[in-house]
Amino acid sequence: SQQGEEDPQALSIQEGENATMNCSYKTSINNLQWYRQNSGRGLVHLILIRSNEREKHSGRLRVTLDTSKKSSSLLITASRAADTASYFCASVFDTGRRALTFGSGTRLQVQP
Amino acid sequence: EAGVAQSPRYKIIEKRQSVAFWCNPISGHATLYWYQQILGQGPKLLIQFQNNGVVDDSQLPKDRFSAERLKGVDSTLKIQPAKLEDSAVYLCASSLDTGGETQYFGPGTRLLVL
Repeated sequence: SQQGEEDPQALSIQEGENATMNCSYKTSINNLQWYRQNSGRGLVHLILIRSNEREKHSGRLRVTLDTSKKSSSLLITASRAADTASYFCASVFDTGRRALTFGSGTRLQVQP
Repeated sequence: EAGVAQSPRYKIIEKRQSVAFWCNPISGHATLYWYQQILGQGPKLLIQFQNNGVVDDSQLPKDRFSAERLKGVDSTLKIQPAKLEDSAVYLCASSLDTGGETQYFGPGTRLLVL
C-alpha cells in the first residue's frame, strides 16, 4: 500500500506543551499535506509542503519534510485544549495521480 | 463563502438496502472527491471528478457503488446493495483544480449498515 504511516497513533499531553507527530510514506511525492479532524466532523486543511521545501510554518504549526527519508513531521507548539483532534498526513504522489492518500492518523488529546 | 454541503448527516439502513448521499461543492470548484473513512482509519478515495468527468475511480467497488456528477456541480454517491462493511463516514471534498492542492471537506455522512 502507498498509504503513509503515522506515529504515534495516540498522544496525550498537557496544555502548553508541544506535540510532535510523524508521517512516513513509500513513494515519491509532489507535495504532502496535513489535515485536522475534530470528532464527528470533516477534515480541515492545515498546511501544505512541496517536495522541494524542507520546512514550513503557519502560526503555531511547523512542518518539516525529509524526502530522503520519505518522512514528515508536524509540530504544534504551546498546545491548547482546542487542539484536541485527529491529525492526518496526506500525500500527493508524483505519479500523475493527484488524489490525496491519507495516513492512519494521530489522535491528539490535550489535557487542560 | 459557503463550504461543502453534504446530506444526510446520518443514515441507518439494513444490509442489502440501497442508500444515496448528496454533495454540493464550493462554488467554482472543478474537482469533486468522494472518500470513505472507516472508524479509526484515514479517508480512502473512492472517486474523483473533474467537472462532470471521472478522473479516478480505481478504488470504487463498482459492483455496488456508483457516483455521478451530471452537470459538473453537485454529485450523488449510491450504494446498492449495502453490506455491513460499508458502515463508515462518507466524505465529500472539492478543490479548484486537479493539481493536488488543498481540498475542502464537507461534514460527512455517517452510515451504519445493520
